[in-house]
Amino acid sequence: DTAVSQTPKYLVTQMGNDKSIKCEQNLGHDTMYWYKQDSKKFLKIMFSYNNKELIINETVPNRFSPKSPDKAHLNLHINSLELGDSAVYFCASSSTRASYEQYFGPGTRLTVT
Amino acid sequence: EDQVTQSPEALRLQEGESSSLNCSYTVSGLRGLFWYRQDPGKGPEFLFTLYSAGEEKEKERLKATLTKKESFLHITAPKPEDSATYLCAVQARGGSEKLVFGKGMKLTVNP
Repeated sequence: DTAVSQTPKYLVTQMGNDKSIKCEQNLGHDTMYWYKQDSKKFLKIMFSYNNKELIINETVPNRFSPKSPDKAHLNLHINSLELGDSAVYFCASSSTRASYEQYFGPGTRLTVT
Repeated sequence: EDQVTQSPEALRLQEGESSSLNCSYTVSGLRGLFWYRQDPGKGPEFLFTLYSAGEEKEKERLKATLTKKESFLHITAPKPEDSATYLCAVQARGGSEKLVFGKGMKLTVNP
């Protein structure tokens, strides 16, 4: 009965490749997010979707493209991976009709070599 | 720009030694201040939301308080299982739902 799940858990790839991370939530929330946590453990928002509509895009390179096929899913596709993209990516979800707290997935550790 | 500063960056306590973690913030109209706990290799786990100055919330050995400029996470008689990184985040009123996080505070409780 996992609330927010992400796949894969680990992703190791070479520079220049294209990769995707998937996220699903079963909480019935209407808003989903992608955060990036760098090597210093600093969590920073990247994107947010509300009811499949992009509402936050925080100066992220356009090599990153989120896609929300429905309210329960938010995927992140990354083109032409660079060394600096290595980080842990977290998906989160919340309900704008409730108390705003965000629930996070377990994270995807991306390593670009 | 909304900003969150957490101090200290790391804290070591002996089991049973109470202490407090500080989160200072500047935000253009606070909707909520959030505390999370993060264990190594896991996602942040929601602990508390505080909405207005003077509000307090408790959960087991943890108590969070809020003023207009800062929040404290008080840990009473901590146990080794309280060892984790504690994250503070703010959410501003007016449209965007994003959380702005501090850099976190790594707590180690020795038995």
